[in-house]
Amino acid sequence: DSGVTQTPKHLITATGQRVTLRCSPRSGDLSVYWYQQSLDQGLQFLIQYYNGEERAKGNILERFSAQQFPDLHSELNLSSLELGDSALYFCASSEINGANNEQFFGPGTRLTVL
Amino acid sequence: GENVEQHPSTLSVQEGDSAVIKCTYSDSASNYFPWYKQELGKRPQLIIDIRSNVGEKKDQRIAVTLNKTAKHFSLHITETQPEDSAVYFCAASIVNQFYFGTGTSLTVIP
Repeated sequence: DSGVTQTPKHLITATGQRVTLRCSPRSGDLSVYWYQQSLDQGLQFLIQYYNGEERAKGNILERFSAQQFPDLHSELNLSSLELGDSALYFCASSEINGANNEQFFGPGTRLTVL
Repeated sequence: GENVEQHPSTLSVQEGDSAVIKCTYSDSASNYFPWYKQELGKRPQLIIDIRSNVGEKKDQRIAVTLNKTAKHFSLHITETQPEDSAVYFCAASIVNQFYFGTGTSLTVIP
């Protein structure tokens, strides 16, 4: 167990809908990263937050948004869902801001868009 | 932006043999290179990492080498065991962004 929690574990919804994925980082970690892992692809970096502020953006669609709250948990919002958004969404946390630091991954949320 | 390529996509080895996975990156500013192991249905877990000021790092049966000039880094697993079977991802990091390779599915045949 990495200490990073994600809810829900599974989510099934329809095209056009909006969902929110939640992540709680390890105690003491200020950075949260979101990743998308599709069936035939590797991990795609979406976005990073550090202590409530957005710090880096990867291949995140405009239909997706995220935020980190004062208690450091983070939420990833996915709207106008398409079939292609079906994937495993991971969040990861690390202690400090910056690249040279180990990330601890949560168990992931499996999103299925029908 | 950074582009990470990983080869091979699948790899089968006999138990006890060595396995090598190679990655290349495009942005010379990348300065941190972690390797993750992901078992089926589980989360990625860091197995080893290397920073740009180091050429090689070893941890028991696992080693990573980095060639900054050629912009490539490799994972070496010696004396492979069936429990090494998993998908392995390399990544290159610039500041706060991480770019992952597409993964190598390693199967160790008993």
